[in-house]
Amino acid sequence: GEDVEQSLFLSVREGDSSVINCTYTDSSSTYLYWYKQEPGAGLQLLTYIFSNMDMKQDQRLTVLLNKKDKHLSLRIADTQTGDSAIYFCAETEGGGADGLTFGKGTHLIIQP
Amino acid sequence: DGGITQSPKYLFRKEGQNVTLSCEQNLNHDAMYWYRQDPGQGLRLIYYSQIVNDFQKGDIAEGYSVSREKKESFPLTVTSAQKNPTAFYLCASTELGQGLWGANVLTFGAGSRLTVL
Repeated sequence: GEDVEQSLFLSVREGDSSVINCTYTDSSSTYLYWYKQEPGAGLQLLTYIFSNMDMKQDQRLTVLLNKKDKHLSLRIADTQTGDSAIYFCAETEGGGADGLTFGKGTHLIIQP
Repeated sequence: DGGITQSPKYLFRKEGQNVTLSCEQNLNHDAMYWYRQDPGQGLRLIYYSQIVNDFQKGDIAEGYSVSREKKESFPLTVTSAQKNPTAFYLCASTELGQGLWGANVLTFGAGSRLTVL
């Protein structure tokens, strides 16, 4: 079945850029998503990208997709303490009506 | 404001007891989903429903049951057959195909934490 892999932890200094990486195995993935989870809360959608796109930018967030290598990244510019959370990469084939496949999440730790 | 409400937020259960987690949405979304989250394990799909009175098993359906009698409600029952039920349970919903480029964007509730004593 599909598999989505992420590093478990990333530590960055406040004000630096954070780059969270994700790899996936399903070559039929159509949509790729980034969600954010704060402690004890549900998941909040950050952004998503269609598989025929290479890049999507939304304010401080930049998503890069390398479809050939099945690699997705999320760059957060000017990282702030409020960005401290778990970030989940997810993918779906087709429209995704049967749910998304999630990675295990990357804990983003902000150093002062 | 529209959203998804999960209750209770915290629940304790003795071994051998069934427990039902509530999920209600007022977003008029077609599809609803239940995920289970364990530390370091990400989210795993338990059950989902795309239409009233119909639902499908996800990757880890054993020991769980659901119903979808109303569009806005998708309760999850954790039965005594579930061997390791202690986890954080997340409910989500989506309006099918209404995201950009036809994507399904899931909206999540705040979660219910179940602890088996």
